[in-house]
Amino acid sequence: AQSVAQPEDQVNVAEGNPLTVKCTYSVSGNPYLFWYVQYPNRGLQFLLKYITGDNLVKGSYGFEAEFNKSQTSFHLKKPSALVSDSALYFCAVRDNDQGGKLIFGQGTELSVKP
Amino acid sequence: DADVTQTPRNRITKTGKRIMLECSQTKGHDRMYWYRQDPGLGLRLIYYSFDVKDINKGEISDGYSVSRQAQAKFSLSLESAIPNQTALYFCATGAEAENTGELFFGEGSRLTVL
Repeated sequence: AQSVAQPEDQVNVAEGNPLTVKCTYSVSGNPYLFWYVQYPNRGLQFLLKYITGDNLVKGSYGFEAEFNKSQTSFHLKKPSALVSDSALYFCAVRDNDQGGKLIFGQGTELSVKP
Repeated sequence: DADVTQTPRNRITKTGKRIMLECSQTKGHDRMYWYRQDPGLGLRLIYYSFDVKDINKGEISDGYSVSRQAQAKFSLSLESAIPNQTALYFCATGAEAENTGELFFGEGSRLTVL
């Protein structure tokens, strides 16, 4: 069965510092991996995805993610955090066995303090 | 106007009442999904549909039903609401042609069952 895990419920970072939000996955076949962000009282917004190719994927708002096949990880990163990055972040993997629907992690609350 | 519109945005109801949450989209996507969000549990798939004649159960379909009235409309019903169905519900769409899994979400419908 496909699954995705986000080991941290919350990540706290000072503004200007680099941030990492962790994600590990389990999937049969080739992994299609995604990061979404949810701001308060809003729906989820797509940040970036890995389908194939370069292991470092660049996305919206200066975020990037590194695909590591040997560690089955897809960590979200940003070199310099902003207070406005504070939000709930979800990692997701496509379920290759059941029509390609997305399976989401439990979410990580990112808090960036000034 | 939003590409994926959910109504109502907020609803408070009583145990045993029938509730319908509606979703409409202007993206022209074939695939539509209903997810439920609970704190600490991420998003869990309730039902999904790949076209008007296709309805599939997700991981937590018990107590829910759906109707795909047209390509652009996908409604979720709770026939007899119970308190543990209190949650934030999201509709999402995806394009079959791309088939990479990227989803587009509505703003959510917050349901409270007393």
